[in-house]
Amino acid sequence: EIVMTQSPATLSVSPGERATLSCRASQRVSSNLAWYQQKLGQAPRLLIYGVSTRATSIPARFSGSGSGTEFTLTISSLQSEDFAVYYCQQYNTWPFTFGPGTKVDIK
Amino acid sequence: QVQLQQWGAGLSKPSETLSLTCAVSGGSFSGYSWTWIRQSPGKGLEWIGEINHGGGTNYNPSLKSRVTVSLDTSKNHFSLNVTSVTAADTAVYYCTRRRATGFCSGRSCFPFVGWFDPWGQGTLVTVSS
Repeated sequence: EIVMTQSPATLSVSPGERATLSCRASQRVSSNLAWYQQKLGQAPRLLIYGVSTRATSIPARFSGSGSGTEFTLTISSLQSEDFAVYYCQQYNTWPFTFGPGTKVDIK
Repeated sequence: QVQLQQWGAGLSKPSETLSLTCAVSGGSFSGYSWTWIRQSPGKGLEWIGEINHGGGTNYNPSLKSRVTVSLDTSKNHFSLNVTSVTAADTAVYYCTRRRATGFCSGRSCFPFVGWFDPWGQGTLVTVSS
């Protein structure tokens, strides 16, 4: 199965600053990559699919990029509601797999 | 707007069968694959398996021998059974869905949909004697 890794494990950012999260796949996944946000005690919420397409109602400050095995989620100006854990997920190959997550907390 | 509401026993004993159900409201069963995913501190988010409207299933090979996902369209719900549970099956279990076919939106086309949206609220299942 494809192993997803994410870095850093924790990212400390001040409100209003930019956050850059990385995701790497153990094999090429083409453009079959999604990102989710999870807040404490809640289910994951879809943010981005197809590497860079925002899901419905997701603000434009969230953007995704990358291809092949290296991907990035960028939050251009962190708002208080953005402090959460972020997961990447590949759907290029069965079984679909998730990264271990990056926690974005307040600096 | 589709909503997923799930329920099931929060405590299972080792070797027993874990059973969860997810009700779908506000949307159709057809055109989607209905999925279970679990989350544990040790293994993170793990895709368990899915069933489509026609009853076709896909399972994670690591769990395939113990997992069954079923569908009851008359009640608008789908279910998960995991047999012979151990402490390693302790996790928060989520129901969710993915589109079963590709689509185009604007100038972008997605021949295959592998992302999940929306998700149920999650059910913590603890396996302990």
